[in-house]
Amino acid sequence: DAKTTQPTSMDCAEGRAANLPCNHSTISGNEYVYWYRQIHSQGPQYIIHGLKNNETNEMASLIITEDRKSSTLILPHATLRDTAVYYCIVRATSNDYKLSFGAGTTVTVRA
Amino acid sequence: KAGVTQTPRYLIKTRGQQVTLSCSPISGHRSVSWYQQTPGQGLQFLFEYFSETQRNKGNFPGRFSGRQFSNSRSEMNVSTLELGDSALYLCASSLVGTGANTEAFFGQGTRLTVV
Repeated sequence: DAKTTQPTSMDCAEGRAANLPCNHSTISGNEYVYWYRQIHSQGPQYIIHGLKNNETNEMASLIITEDRKSSTLILPHATLRDTAVYYCIVRATSNDYKLSFGAGTTVTVRA
Repeated sequence: KAGVTQTPRYLIKTRGQQVTLSCSPISGHRSVSWYQQTPGQGLQFLFEYFSETQRNKGNFPGRFSGRQFSNSRSEMNVSTLELGDSALYLCASSLVGTGANTEAFFGQGTRLTVV
């Protein structure tokens, strides 16, 4: 699976959009970009995933660059409950179901 | 519908003992994966089961084993516990378990403390 690079931490003001970058410059053409988050001491929570088109759901938007070497997760209106570690993961399309978690980005939403 | 259920939530064991953790996946999900999370190593993949067969295994010693039953419920076992096995053990289930376009749903985990 392609390796991802994320900033270690970032702060965000409550009510503002949080933009979380992820670099995956070695991504292959058939690899998906996944985002999960983990609130303290809970299991990771699936947020969104995409292949090459931008995606949006009730939680967030995922913007993938045209060359697919990077992506941005957007939380449109951050709340205090969005404080968590956010993981950007690239998954191969084989039958291998493993998710390779890196260190992620610790996002702190401040009132 | 009910999420992924892991039992017990907390466990304290002594070095040298063995432990069995249980995971009930979301109804209809046939793939179950296990992960270990420690402060030093982060989230690491242990193994994945699909239709009662182990399909993939992470880089852990043979003391770590698992199995899956016909109803997709899974157990993992750690024998001869070491202090370093203290961790949050997470189980994840997915609908079909193949291909990249499948999200995993995680349980709340079992916090194991080895003393």
